[in-house]
Amino acid sequence: DGGITQSPKYLFRKEGQNVTLSCEQNLNHDAMYWYRQDPGQGLRLIYYSQIVNDFQKGDIAEGYSVSREKKESFPLTVTSAQKNPTAFYLCASSMPAGRAKNIQYFGAGTRLSVL
Amino acid sequence: DAKTTQPTSMDCAEGRAANLPCNHSTISGNEYVYWYRQIHSQGPQYIIHGLKNNETNEMASLIITEDRKSSTLILPHATLRDTAVYYCIVRPLSGNTGKLIFGQGTTLQVKP
Repeated sequence: DGGITQSPKYLFRKEGQNVTLSCEQNLNHDAMYWYRQDPGQGLRLIYYSQIVNDFQKGDIAEGYSVSREKKESFPLTVTSAQKNPTAFYLCASSMPAGRAKNIQYFGAGTRLSVL
Repeated sequence: DAKTTQPTSMDCAEGRAANLPCNHSTISGNEYVYWYRQIHSQGPQYIIHGLKNNETNEMASLIITEDRKSSTLILPHATLRDTAVYYCIVRPLSGNTGKLIFGQGTTLQVKP
């Protein structure tokens, strides 16, 4: 089936540890996004990538890093510099803005908690 | 992107139509109205979008007023599985980062 796969579903981070969230898509989409959602809140953009080997900071990029070495993959690393990482993380993909109705498709999310 | 205003919550009886309003009085001429929904602890799901004409698909209908300052998402026969937070978003098709600006949305509770 075509779609976006996020793993793991649940993740626990120890103090001072970096953790990496996986996002893989087989929709042949060029653009990929990472959002953060806090309880009862809307989504906020962390990083986005419109094409392989290129990515830009979103609204809340501090304490996070990404890479885009393959079209299908856009992993997010939550570094120890992110002091409040507990949240629901969502990955999305779409055709680039202006093409194919610009609809974003989301994964099922990763819930990150701090031990 | 234009700001949207939605009611915080709504109830609907199962089998009845759910009408979810959205105000977007500052919408620009090139901005579309998109609707997404998020079922508890899942990723958001695209529902429908439109520019100025009414739109219908297998999930819902979208009614946009003639002045485009407001719209209504209609779920014609709501089921318990339609209980979710519904987000109204306005944005252009091109010329931006592609990010979606999610507000608080409307929590729709479908009751038996």
